[in-house]
Amino acid sequence: NAGVTQTPKFQVLKTGQSMTLQCAQDMNHNSMYWYRQDPGMGLRLIYYSASEGTTDKGEVPNGYNVSRLNKREFSLRLESAAPSQTSVYFCASSSRDRVNTIYFGEGSWLTVV
Amino acid sequence: GEDVEQSLFLSVREGDSSVINCTYTDSSSTYLYWYKQEPGAGLQLLTYIFSNMDMKQDQRLTVLLNKKDKHLSLRIADTQTGDSAIYFCALENGSSNTGKLIFGQGTTLQVKP
Repeated sequence: NAGVTQTPKFQVLKTGQSMTLQCAQDMNHNSMYWYRQDPGMGLRLIYYSASEGTTDKGEVPNGYNVSRLNKREFSLRLESAAPSQTSVYFCASSSRDRVNTIYFGEGSWLTVV
Repeated sequence: GEDVEQSLFLSVREGDSSVINCTYTDSSSTYLYWYKQEPGAGLQLLTYIFSNMDMKQDQRLTVLLNKKDKHLSLRIADTQTGDSAIYFCALENGSSNTGKLIFGQGTTLQVKP
């Protein structure tokens, strides 16, 4: 059971370059999320998608765009990468049952130089 | 908005008990969660507590909730070196139908042999 799979695991970008982080889940979950993790700041929500075809901004959406391609896939795009976007990015999904169990991918380490 | 605070670091000796604390500002979360992150991995749900409970015990884990003081704690009995990780408390943000969680900064637990 793969769970939440995200790629790439590591990426180095130059300032101004663009890239897309891919995420897929095989648990038939409606909700998907993109978080970033920075030292001493915990996880901050970038964007989320409550269902296929809908996306909403989270706490720190500036500089990012997302696409909920279908129920399985939720991608995060950096159009013009900045050093402030150096971070670890986590994709997650949840079924939004009575107890909201969120399942996380293993993370994507992104460095912008 | 919701603010969730944790101390950043805790060091204990193997066999001792560990207590990780979390304070929050918004009391509307139906469930409160503890997640564990091992090095180089994503977060995994460790345990949770329903907001109308004061305590929940799950093997070596005890969760205490003081709603009056808006304080959540996680106690790990007989702490082992394998418990070394970052521990995050998390609360639901806004309507639980969105599935969004707000995370604390994370407490790094170091277990010394």
